[in-house]
Amino acid sequence: DAKTTQPNSMESNEEEPVHLPCNHSTISGTDYIHWYRQLPSQGPEYVIHGLTSNVNNRMASLAIAEDRKSSTLILHRATLRDAAVYYCILRDSDNYGQNFVFGPGTRLSVLP
Amino acid sequence: EPEVTQTPSHQVTQMGQEVILRCVPISNHLYFYWYRQILGQKVEFLVSFYNNEISEKSEIFDDQFSVERPDGSNFTLKIRSTKLEDSAMYFCASRFLVPGGYTFGSGTRLTVV
Repeated sequence: DAKTTQPNSMESNEEEPVHLPCNHSTISGTDYIHWYRQLPSQGPEYVIHGLTSNVNNRMASLAIAEDRKSSTLILHRATLRDAAVYYCILRDSDNYGQNFVFGPGTRLSVLP
Repeated sequence: EPEVTQTPSHQVTQMGQEVILRCVPISNHLYFYWYRQILGQKVEFLVSFYNNEISEKSEIFDDQFSVERPDGSNFTLKIRSTKLEDSAMYFCASRFLVPGGYTFGSGTRLTVV
C-alpha cells in the first residue's frame, strides 16, 4: 500500500487559512488522493479527493504537486467547527476492492 | 443530503454474548464497509462487501465476525461471542463508484463488560 506522512498536529487561529500538508512519495499513477476528517465523537467525513489537478469544493481546496509526491489541503477560513483529525489517504482507482487505510492523521486545533 | 444510518448508537453487552450492529447505507450505493476505532486509536478496516459477498477482510475480521445484507437495505455486522477487546466504535460506510468518496455513519459505540 502506498503510504502517506502527515504532521501529528497543527494549530490555527479562527478565520485564518490553514494548509495541511501530506507527503506521498511512493504514489502510483492510478492512486487518487483522498482527504477525510473526523470531528470529535463522529465518524470520518469525506472532504475532497483528486488525481492530478487541483480541486475545489465547498469545504476545501486540494493542491497537488506537479510530481504528485505531496499535496496540501487548504481550509480557506478556519472555524471552530473545523477542529478535527484530518486524514490523507491514497486509493488505487484500478483496485475496486481496495479499502481505505487510515493513518494517525493530523489533529487540527482552531483557536478562537 | 443522504446519510448512512447506524443503530443503536450505543450498545452494552456482556462478554460472550452475540451482538448485531445495524446499518442502512445510502440507497444507490454499491460498496459497503465496516470499520472500527478503539478509543484513542486509529480507524481500522474490518471488511468490505460488494455484490452480496465479502470482497476483502482484515486480520481483525476473524470467525467471530460476519456480515449480511439480508433485505437489500440493511447491512449488519454480527459478533458471535464478544470479548472485552471488541469494545470500540464501529463505523459503517458505503460508496457508489470507484474512485468516489465514502459516506460514513455516525457509529455504534460497543461496550463489552
